[in-house]
Amino acid sequence: DTGVSQDPRHKITKRGQNVTFRCDPISEHNRLYWYRQTLGQGPEFLTYFQNEAQLEKSRLLSDRFSAERPKGSFSTLEIQRTEQGDSAMYLCASSLLGGGFPAEAFFGQGTRLTVV
Amino acid sequence: GENVEQHPSTLSVQEGDSAVIKCTYSDSASNYFPWYKQELGKGPQLIIDIRSNVGEKKDQRIAVTLNKTAKHFSLHITETQPEDSAVYFCAASVLGLYSGGGADGLTFGKGTHLIIQP
Repeated sequence: DTGVSQDPRHKITKRGQNVTFRCDPISEHNRLYWYRQTLGQGPEFLTYFQNEAQLEKSRLLSDRFSAERPKGSFSTLEIQRTEQGDSAMYLCASSLLGGGFPAEAFFGQGTRLTVV
Repeated sequence: GENVEQHPSTLSVQEGDSAVIKCTYSDSASNYFPWYKQELGKGPQLIIDIRSNVGEKKDQRIAVTLNKTAKHFSLHITETQPEDSAVYFCAASVLGLYSGGGADGLTFGKGTHLIIQP
């Protein structure tokens, strides 16, 4: 499978614990995005990387959230001291920058986080 | 920032009929408008997109129209089939300062639950 891969698919954690999600983008895609989606809503942009550089962060990304893409390939999203409000689907997407116009973004299946 | 409104929230049509979903956006700088289909338990899947330099694009039973002056765009699905049942999201993107042409982040509408009645 050459699509965007996310791991784990589901995560249940106790409030206050730290969690980390992983995203493997489509090979050679230089852009990687993280979104959060709650039930009945559209995805909300969190942050994105161009290669290893994190270029933009949404106001939604509190200081408990940190994302990395150390070698410009896979990315991790960590949430520290989880709260019940963090329960959501966390989606990763990747795209290939080029051609002077925005490139289409391909999404992974998402990681569903439940904080109890 | 960008704000995308999507209507209706739920749309039920008879199999074989057409379905139309409408979106408006607020930022006149937006120049990329994709549509995504999301099935239960899956990530969004791109079905069609349109750039601001064209007014209409068609791909088999799916078409998208864009009115830049009015800042709205629409998805049209003809000859609907049961497998078209899903949640559809419109989105808009603004060229970023660092992007050199890339999409910095999509702003999504809240989605339309399309139900195809047999």
